[in-house]
Amino acid sequence: GAGVSQTPSNKVTEKGKYVELRCDPISGHTALYWYRQSLGQGPEFLIYFQGTGAADDSGLPNDRFFAVRPEGSVSTLKIQRTERGDSAVYLCASSLLAGTNGYTFGSGTRLTVV
Amino acid sequence: KQEVTQIPAALSVPEGENLVLNCSFTDSAIYNLQWFRQDPGKGLTSLLLIQSSQREQTSGRLNASLDKSSGRSTLYIAASQPGDSATYLCAVHNNDMRFGAGTRLTVKP
Repeated sequence: GAGVSQTPSNKVTEKGKYVELRCDPISGHTALYWYRQSLGQGPEFLIYFQGTGAADDSGLPNDRFFAVRPEGSVSTLKIQRTERGDSAVYLCASSLLAGTNGYTFGSGTRLTVV
Repeated sequence: KQEVTQIPAALSVPEGENLVLNCSFTDSAIYNLQWFRQDPGKGLTSLLLIQSSQREQTSGRLNASLDKSSGRSTLYIAASQPGDSATYLCAVHNNDMRFGAGTRLTVKP
């Protein structure tokens, strides 16, 4: 596609529920990144994929967070047993190759846990 | 672990002023550095990308410099306009990308 697409744009969920956030990267981009941004803060790295594999998942805060990219294109960030502290904007970015090119970001998913 | 710091955290200037935003990073082994703009409630828009072998990049009224050895980058905005009001984020690339907390810029008419 022309840009990075993230769905939904907004998600409100109750504490304890499971949520999935989707990212469609730019076609042909092999690297995909997930970030989380809280109000007034810079984006915080969560995980990055090179192709289908998670090359670095060191930013995932705990085992309630998981991400997949089964076919090397679309990625899903999954959050189990959501907590109010998970409320943030979740940003996805893609790059042609990891580290060598600029990143293009999607508009993000605003997650609110009530 | 790469640490990225942006100074100042907030800046308010009258329209027409030239200004400089600063970014520093702790690990100089980077592929490149990217400056982004973020408007309230919006995603990130890329402004300038500087490869590690480059010293600066220019786009219109924006000029970004990179001194990799000292771990510093600056974003220079000439003749600021109210439409430049936004948060400016610096990000450094190794295999992933690490961000500073941003500088919130307000340009007053």
